[in-house]
Amino acid sequence: QQQVKQSPQSLIVQKGGISIINCAYENTAFDYFPWYQQFPGKGPALLIAIRPDVSEKKEGRFTISFNKSAKQFSLHIMDSQPGDSATYFCAAKSGGSYIPTFGRGTSLIVHP
Amino acid sequence: KAGVTQTPRYLIKTRGQQVTLSCSPISGHRSVSWYQQTPGQGLQFLFEYFSETQRNKGNFPGRFSGRQFSNSRSEMNVSTLELGDSALYLCASSGNRGWGTEAFFGQGTRLTVV
Repeated sequence: QQQVKQSPQSLIVQKGGISIINCAYENTAFDYFPWYQQFPGKGPALLIAIRPDVSEKKEGRFTISFNKSAKQFSLHIMDSQPGDSATYFCAAKSGGSYIPTFGRGTSLIVHP
Repeated sequence: KAGVTQTPRYLIKTRGQQVTLSCSPISGHRSVSWYQQTPGQGLQFLFEYFSETQRNKGNFPGRFSGRQFSNSRSEMNVSTLELGDSALYLCASSGNRGWGTEAFFGQGTRLTVV
């Protein structure tokens, strides 16, 4: 049973455009929602994270929007750049756990 | 502070063989988890070890096993390799269970089964 559903599986955006990746979760015990970014040949690395008492968090061009009632959260990448081309994973974790549950990932390609 | 180290980086094995992958977590981290990454399947959770005990296990056959040593280093073993085991195997370590603590990943071991 997949507890975190991520879409789309792949995304192609022009430079300067907005990239949007969506995730939905089922387990209401989740209370930490990180996004990981993975470049080819590298392991995933934490990009940005949010907790459920906040509806939005912004760090530079990256914004997480969180809808607790809908159990959904999304990553917005503003002014997308070719250097943003990577695989993005959403994840969810409960405070009692060491390990997050990951979505299946989104392969983002930003064309110059 | 050194990151998560996985060895070897690349491995080619033949069907039927067995393989052992190694992971050294960040110093002080006691939780080590393993993931299999294949195109289209994302990060599939294999198992998590904490203080030498397996605490969580994903939905993988018994051919996949692991262990953790007293220094928190972990090994993962796959026996009777199949072509479908070809994947990037990632190890992640975590130091706390509280909110906001992240999992740190190694660069992975690319296993190719021929």
